[in-house]
Amino acid sequence: DTEVTQTPKHLVMGMTNKKSLKCEQHMGHRAMYWYKQKAKKPPELMFVYSYEKLSINESVPSRFSPECPNSSLLNLHLHALQPEDSALYLCASSPTVEAGGGSSTDTQYFGPGTRLTVL
Amino acid sequence: KQEVTQIPAALSVPEGENLVLNCSFTDSAIYNLQWFRQDPGKGLTSLLLIQSSQREQTSGRLNASLDKSSGRSTLYIAASQPGDSATYLCAVVHMNNNAGNMLTFGGGTRLMVKP
Repeated sequence: DTEVTQTPKHLVMGMTNKKSLKCEQHMGHRAMYWYKQKAKKPPELMFVYSYEKLSINESVPSRFSPECPNSSLLNLHLHALQPEDSALYLCASSPTVEAGGGSSTDTQYFGPGTRLTVL
Repeated sequence: KQEVTQIPAALSVPEGENLVLNCSFTDSAIYNLQWFRQDPGKGLTSLLLIQSSQREQTSGRLNASLDKSSGRSTLYIAASQPGDSATYLCAVVHMNNNAGNMLTFGGGTRLMVKP
């Protein structure tokens, strides 16, 4: 199974709502990522989890709250979002490497994304 | 800081043409370089991955080359088809000691192949 799944595919929410995005992989990968992609722009990294621990937060506003309950699952909790947060949210995973280790053939596998609209 | 640039930003060609997409990067200390395809509103599909020690990779009608010393990669698409219409993203992979593989993306090339 080389698939990363994301739910829901589409989400419309108001600025006062609380919602969550879900990402799942069963490839045994220990690194998982959240990206935000605006129209006609490349993906921008938001968060990185390595061995279920948050290792990188790219100065993302606190209204986005990531969570990694186990090695296969990654959530992104959303609260009090702004209309400018509307975007495609992509999840990815890769075999984790520790400092100095790993393989140059490692790649990130991307999910299909969640299209988020904030009204 | 690594910067990745893709030229052209958009390209429209008639079906059957051979075409070249360009990618350049500023820091040659990379582990590998990947080319992705993205259809509108969809996720990314990895097309080719070239390790830093390799010069090129081929998959079907696609051929990607890497010249690490000059910071350049090209994606060659032979005999283009309307189904090739998509955005093509180049990304270089560098190592972050805390978090494994980190990708830096170029801005993408939006390709339209007309029947």
